[in-house]
Amino acid sequence: GESVGLHLPTLSVQEGDNSIINCAYSNSASDYFIWYKQESGKGPQFIIDIRSNMDKRQGQRVTVLLNKTVKHLSLQIAATQPGDSAVYFCAEWTGRRALTFGSGTRLQVQP
Amino acid sequence: NAGVTQTPKFQVLKTGQSMTLQCAQDMNHNSMYWYRQDPGMGLRLIYYSASEGTTDKGEVPNGYNVSRLNKREFSLRLESAAPSQTSVYFCASSSYLNTEAFFGQGTRLTVV
Repeated sequence: GESVGLHLPTLSVQEGDNSIINCAYSNSASDYFIWYKQESGKGPQFIIDIRSNMDKRQGQRVTVLLNKTVKHLSLQIAATQPGDSAVYFCAEWTGRRALTFGSGTRLQVQP
Repeated sequence: NAGVTQTPKFQVLKTGQSMTLQCAQDMNHNSMYWYRQDPGMGLRLIYYSASEGTTDKGEVPNGYNVSRLNKREFSLRLESAAPSQTSVYFCASSSYLNTEAFFGQGTRLTVV
């Protein structure tokens, strides 16, 4: 696999625990905020998005929270599994149709 | 259904050489993107094309050019490669008004 994410912050959790991954954003004009998952050697994969006028959205085992006051986005993963081990990126989507990525976090799930 | 296909998968260039990275999608998507990914830097947007016939600069366009050849294809050209352009390059596409982008497998480019 690639050496992507060598210097990314790492979150280590036990299998079965809940994981919370955080992201700070800067562009208040973004229409949507999105989470992507990237496994080693692969391109990013869409997880879930949230429109800028919402503060919470739930998917299957995942919840995204948006706090516009402090420009903070979080991804909660319930009952974390070994297959969840990856690098997670937050991203923003603007009206100009530009999809820009923010910082990433490596999630390591310990068996 | 192939999705997003990038060629080549690996490439080594000498400083000053030129090359074109090819990207094609078969999902009838309007929007296409080129990103580069360096270790610890996440993905940075180089250029994007919101629809056929339009292209716009992203965060790091210097040293690159793009061509939206048709709705399916979006190529990225390095006219004079530099070691700073050593990276993994990803192409992606999405349908109009959809935040879910589909990514190719990436091109690992090394400039020596």
